[in-house]
Amino acid sequence: GNSVTQMEGPVTLSEEAFLTINCTYTATGYPSLFWYVQYPGEGLQLLLKATKADDKGSNKGFEATYRKETTSFHLEKGSVQVSDSAVYFCALSNFGNEKLTFGTGTRLTIIP
Amino acid sequence: DAGITQSPRHKVTETGTPVTLRCHQTENHRYMYWYRQDPGHGLRLIHYSYGVKDTDKGEVSDGYSVSRSKTEDFLLTLESATSSQTSVYFCAISESRRFDEQYFGPGTRLTVT
Repeated sequence: GNSVTQMEGPVTLSEEAFLTINCTYTATGYPSLFWYVQYPGEGLQLLLKATKADDKGSNKGFEATYRKETTSFHLEKGSVQVSDSAVYFCALSNFGNEKLTFGTGTRLTIIP
Repeated sequence: DAGITQSPRHKVTETGTPVTLRCHQTENHRYMYWYRQDPGHGLRLIHYSYGVKDTDKGEVSDGYSVSRSKTEDFLLTLESATSSQTSVYFCAISESRRFDEQYFGPGTRLTVT
């Protein structure tokens, strides 16, 4: 079946630091990959997505590249801000399997 | 922002009582979902709907039932609440079959004492 593994948190960084949150997946075929973000007290919001190998999703300075050879979709940002503090979820969906499979989430805290 | 509301936003109830959570959307999206969010588990799908009166089970459906009598409303019922159902419940909607992009409601925090 499908599964998503993302790095354990919490992650604490200083403002303007470089961010990487690792995500690897197990799936058959050609899944679509997503990063969702959850700010305190809110529901999840789609941050970015990629639907085929070597695609790069990007939004709000965040990027992730769909690497089929390593089954990975790591989230990166070059310079984080305090407002990026949130929980980040990696997820996948697969054609014919009508479910989004989520990782367990990584809590990110940015300190000024 | 997608028009999704959940009610109530917070609820405390006693073990053994029935509880119904409501999700309402104004986007006319075909697909609606109920998830629960628990520490260490991420989000887990409880039930989903692919049209009026069309529903199916997710990975943690035991103890829950759903109904969808109108496109805009999706109800989640805990038939006899247990402490293990204390959680934050999220409703989500999507337009496409591939779960391509889901929009989430603000969540309902349920405590079963």
